[in-house]
Amino acid sequence: QKEVEQNSGPLSVPEGAIASLNCTYSDRGSQSFFWYRQYSGKSPELIMSIYSNGDKEDGRFTAQLNKASQYVSLLIRDSQPSDSATYLCAVSLKAAGNKLTFGGGTRVLVKP
Amino acid sequence: DADVTQTPRNRITKTGKRIMLECSQTKGHDRMYWYRQDPGLGLRLIYYSFDVKDINKGEISDGYSVSRQAQAKFSLSLESAIPNQTALYFCATSSRGAKGYNEQFFGPGTRLTVL
Repeated sequence: QKEVEQNSGPLSVPEGAIASLNCTYSDRGSQSFFWYRQYSGKSPELIMSIYSNGDKEDGRFTAQLNKASQYVSLLIRDSQPSDSATYLCAVSLKAAGNKLTFGGGTRVLVKP
Repeated sequence: DADVTQTPRNRITKTGKRIMLECSQTKGHDRMYWYRQDPGLGLRLIYYSFDVKDINKGEISDGYSVSRQAQAKFSLSLESAIPNQTALYFCATSSRGAKGYNEQFFGPGTRLTVL
Protein backbone atom coordinates (compact mmCIF):
# COMPACT_ATOMS: atom_id res chain seq x y z
CA GLN A 1 0.00 0.00 0.00
CA LYS A 2 1.32 3.41 -0.96
CA GLU A 3 1.72 5.86 1.89
CA VAL A 4 -0.18 8.62 0.10
CA GLU A 5 -2.69 7.69 -2.60
CA GLN A 6 -4.48 9.79 -5.19
CA ASN A 7 -6.56 8.94 -8.21
CA SER A 8 -4.34 9.73 -11.19
CA GLY A 9 -7.27 11.01 -13.28
CA PRO A 10 -7.70 12.80 -15.53
CA LEU A 11 -10.55 14.49 -13.73
CA SER A 12 -12.50 16.35 -16.36
CA VAL A 13 -14.71 19.23 -15.18
CA PRO A 14 -16.61 21.88 -17.13
CA GLU A 15 -15.63 25.49 -16.66
CA GLY A 16 -17.43 27.02 -13.68
CA ALA A 17 -18.03 23.69 -11.95
CA ILE A 18 -16.51 22.36 -8.73
CA ALA A 19 -13.53 20.03 -8.99
CA SER A 20 -13.22 17.60 -6.09
CA LEU A 21 -9.90 15.85 -5.46
CA ASN A 22 -9.25 13.21 -2.82
CA CYS A 23 -6.15 11.91 -1.10
CA THR A 24 -5.79 9.12 1.46
CA TYR A 25 -2.79 8.43 3.65
CA SER A 26 -1.70 5.41 5.63
CA ASP A 27 0.18 6.77 8.66
CA ARG A 28 -2.15 7.83 11.47
CA GLY A 29 0.65 9.93 12.99
CA SER A 30 0.63 12.30 10.02
CA GLN A 31 0.26 15.85 11.19
CA SER A 32 0.49 18.28 8.31
CA PHE A 33 -1.14 18.13 4.91
CA PHE A 34 -0.47 20.07 1.75
CA TRP A 35 -1.79 20.52 -1.74
CA TYR A 36 0.57 21.51 -4.53
CA ARG A 37 -0.35 22.49 -8.07
CA GLN A 38 2.02 21.52 -10.85
CA TYR A 39 1.70 22.64 -14.44
CA SER A 40 3.27 20.40 -17.05
CA GLY A 41 7.06 20.76 -17.04
CA LYS A 42 6.99 23.22 -14.14
CA SER A 43 7.75 22.96 -10.44
CA PRO A 44 5.16 22.22 -7.73
CA GLU A 45 3.56 25.31 -6.23
CA LEU A 46 2.08 25.22 -2.72
CA ILE A 47 -1.57 26.24 -2.79
CA MET A 48 -3.00 24.97 0.50
CA SER A 49 -1.85 23.66 3.85
CA ILE A 50 -4.08 22.22 6.57
CA TYR A 51 -3.24 20.95 10.03
CA SER A 52 -6.56 20.45 11.87
CA ASN A 53 -9.72 18.53 11.14
CA GLY A 54 -12.31 20.47 9.22
CA ASP A 55 -12.30 22.88 6.34
CA LYS A 56 -9.90 25.61 5.35
CA GLU A 57 -10.81 28.05 2.62
CA ASP A 58 -8.52 30.26 0.56
CA GLY A 59 -10.14 32.00 -2.37
CA ARG A 60 -11.60 29.39 -4.71
CA PHE A 61 -9.80 26.57 -2.91
CA THR A 62 -11.08 24.62 0.09
CA ALA A 63 -9.07 21.92 1.80
CA GLN A 64 -10.86 19.39 3.99
CA LEU A 65 -9.16 17.13 6.51
CA ASN A 66 -10.58 14.10 8.30
CA LYS A 67 -7.89 12.45 10.39
CA ALA A 68 -10.17 9.70 11.68
CA SER A 69 -10.80 8.53 8.13
CA GLN A 70 -7.28 9.43 7.00
CA TYR A 71 -8.22 11.51 4.03
CA VAL A 72 -7.71 15.04 2.84
CA SER A 73 -9.54 16.61 -0.05
CA LEU A 74 -9.30 19.72 -2.19
CA LEU A 75 -12.26 21.51 -3.74
CA ILE A 76 -11.78 24.00 -6.54
CA ARG A 77 -14.84 26.17 -6.98
CA ASP A 78 -15.70 28.00 -10.21
CA SER A 79 -13.06 25.98 -12.06
CA GLN A 80 -11.18 27.84 -14.79
CA PRO A 81 -9.16 26.50 -17.72
CA SER A 82 -6.07 27.88 -15.93
CA ASP A 83 -6.76 25.36 -13.14
CA SER A 84 -5.87 22.55 -15.55
CA ALA A 85 -2.81 21.01 -13.90
CA THR A 86 -1.71 18.09 -11.77
CA TYR A 87 -2.50 18.43 -8.08
CA LEU A 88 -0.15 16.75 -5.64
CA CYS A 89 -1.14 15.79 -2.13
CA ALA A 90 1.70 15.76 0.41
CA VAL A 91 1.74 14.55 4.00
CA SER A 92 4.23 15.34 6.75
CA LEU A 93 5.04 13.15 9.71
CA LYS A 94 6.80 14.80 12.65
CA ALA A 95 8.35 11.50 13.72
CA ALA A 96 9.99 11.32 10.28
CA GLY A 97 11.58 14.74 10.65
CA ASN A 98 8.69 16.48 8.93
CA LYS A 99 9.75 15.15 5.55
CA LEU A 100 7.02 15.27 2.95
CA THR A 101 5.63 12.16 1.32
CA PHE A 102 3.87 12.90 -1.97
CA GLY A 103 1.06 11.16 -3.71
CA GLY A 104 1.30 10.50 -7.42
CA GLY A 105 -0.97 13.42 -8.27
CA THR A 106 -4.37 13.91 -9.88
CA ARG A 107 -4.50 15.46 -13.31
CA VAL A 108 -7.34 17.95 -13.69
CA LEU A 109 -8.70 19.13 -17.04
CA VAL A 110 -11.09 22.07 -17.06
CA LYS A 111 -12.99 22.29 -20.32
CA PRO A 112 -14.35 25.64 -21.55
CA ASP B 1 11.84 38.27 -4.40
CA ALA B 2 13.32 35.54 -2.24
CA ASP B 3 13.75 32.60 -4.52
CA VAL B 4 15.09 29.11 -5.19
CA THR B 5 17.23 28.74 -8.31
CA GLN B 6 18.66 25.68 -10.02
CA THR B 7 21.42 25.32 -12.56
CA PRO B 8 21.54 24.02 -15.19
CA ARG B 9 17.90 23.97 -16.28
CA ASN B 10 18.51 21.32 -18.90
CA ARG B 11 21.38 18.90 -19.30
CA ILE B 12 22.12 16.07 -21.66
CA THR B 13 25.02 13.82 -20.72
CA LYS B 14 26.41 10.40 -21.50
CA THR B 15 26.51 7.24 -19.45
CA GLY B 16 29.43 7.21 -17.03
CA LYS B 17 29.91 10.96 -16.86
CA ARG B 18 29.99 12.84 -13.58
CA ILE B 19 27.46 15.62 -13.32
CA MET B 20 26.58 18.21 -10.69
CA LEU B 21 23.27 19.97 -10.24
CA GLU B 22 23.30 23.12 -8.17
CA CYS B 23 20.67 24.78 -6.03
CA SER B 24 20.79 28.23 -4.44
CA GLN B 25 18.21 30.02 -2.33
CA THR B 26 17.71 33.52 -1.03
CA LYS B 27 14.80 32.62 1.25
CA GLY B 28 17.01 32.28 4.32
CA HIS B 29 15.66 28.77 4.91
CA ASP B 30 17.80 26.29 6.78
CA ARG B 31 16.43 23.06 5.32
CA MET B 32 17.06 21.99 1.73
CA TYR B 33 15.96 18.93 -0.25
CA TRP B 34 16.60 17.18 -3.54
CA TYR B 35 13.81 15.27 -5.29
CA ARG B 36 13.48 13.50 -8.59
CA GLN B 37 10.24 13.18 -10.50
CA ASP B 38 9.47 10.43 -12.96
CA PRO B 39 6.23 9.97 -14.87
CA GLY B 40 3.85 7.80 -12.84
CA LEU B 41 6.15 7.70 -9.80
CA GLY B 42 5.61 11.13 -8.35
CA LEU B 43 8.21 13.03 -6.36
CA ARG B 44 10.80 10.97 -4.52
CA LEU B 45 13.26 12.30 -1.96
CA ILE B 46 16.94 11.76 -2.73
CA TYR B 47 18.74 13.68 0.04
CA TYR B 48 17.89 16.37 2.54
CA SER B 49 19.87 18.69 4.77
CA PHE B 50 18.67 20.34 7.97
CA ASP B 51 21.71 22.60 8.16
CA VAL B 52 25.25 22.80 6.80
CA LYS B 53 26.51 19.98 9.02
CA ASP B 54 23.45 17.73 8.82
CA ILE B 55 22.87 15.70 5.66
CA ASN B 56 20.52 12.75 5.42
CA LYS B 57 19.66 10.12 2.85
CA GLY B 58 16.19 10.00 1.41
CA GLU B 59 14.37 7.04 -0.07
CA ILE B 60 16.44 6.80 -3.27
CA SER B 61 19.99 7.98 -2.48
CA ASP B 62 21.92 5.21 -4.26
CA GLY B 63 23.98 6.61 -7.12
CA TYR B 64 23.80 10.17 -5.78
CA SER B 65 25.81 12.32 -3.40
CA VAL B 66 25.29 15.84 -2.07
CA SER B 67 27.24 18.75 -0.67
CA ARG B 68 25.90 21.60 1.46
CA GLN B 69 28.47 24.30 0.81
CA ALA B 70 26.62 26.99 2.73
CA GLN B 71 23.19 27.57 4.17
CA ALA B 72 22.09 28.87 0.79
CA LYS B 73 23.69 26.23 -1.45
CA PHE B 74 23.00 22.53 -1.85
CA SER B 75 24.48 20.52 -4.73
CA LEU B 76 23.54 17.10 -6.04
CA SER B 77 26.11 14.95 -7.84
CA LEU B 78 25.77 11.89 -10.01
CA GLU B 79 29.20 10.25 -9.82
CA SER B 80 28.67 8.01 -12.84
CA ALA B 81 25.42 8.80 -14.62
CA ILE B 82 23.26 5.98 -15.94
CA PRO B 83 20.21 6.16 -18.24
CA ASN B 84 17.68 5.38 -15.51
CA GLN B 85 18.72 8.59 -13.79
CA THR B 86 17.01 10.47 -16.59
CA ALA B 87 14.38 12.51 -14.78
CA LEU B 88 13.25 15.94 -13.67
CA TYR B 89 15.16 17.03 -10.57
CA PHE B 90 13.84 19.55 -8.07
CA CYS B 91 15.45 21.36 -5.20
CA ALA B 92 13.22 22.56 -2.36
CA THR B 93 13.64 24.57 0.82
CA SER B 94 11.71 24.91 4.06
CA SER B 95 11.80 26.78 7.30
CA ARG B 96 9.98 26.58 10.59
CA GLY B 97 6.39 27.63 10.24
CA ALA B 98 3.57 27.72 12.73
CA LYS B 99 3.50 23.93 12.81
CA GLY B 100 7.22 23.23 12.42
CA TYR B 101 9.25 22.54 9.32
CA ASN B 102 6.55 21.80 6.85
CA GLU B 103 5.92 24.04 3.90
CA GLN B 104 8.41 23.41 1.15
CA PHE B 105 9.13 25.71 -1.75
CA PHE B 106 10.49 24.34 -4.99
CA GLY B 107 13.01 25.55 -7.52
CA PRO B 108 12.24 25.51 -11.26
CA GLY B 109 13.77 22.09 -11.83
CA THR B 110 16.55 20.58 -13.93
CA ARG B 111 15.65 18.25 -16.76
CA LEU B 112 18.45 15.66 -16.98
CA THR B 113 18.83 13.21 -19.84
CA VAL B 114 21.44 10.47 -19.67
CA LEU B 115 22.17 8.82 -23.00
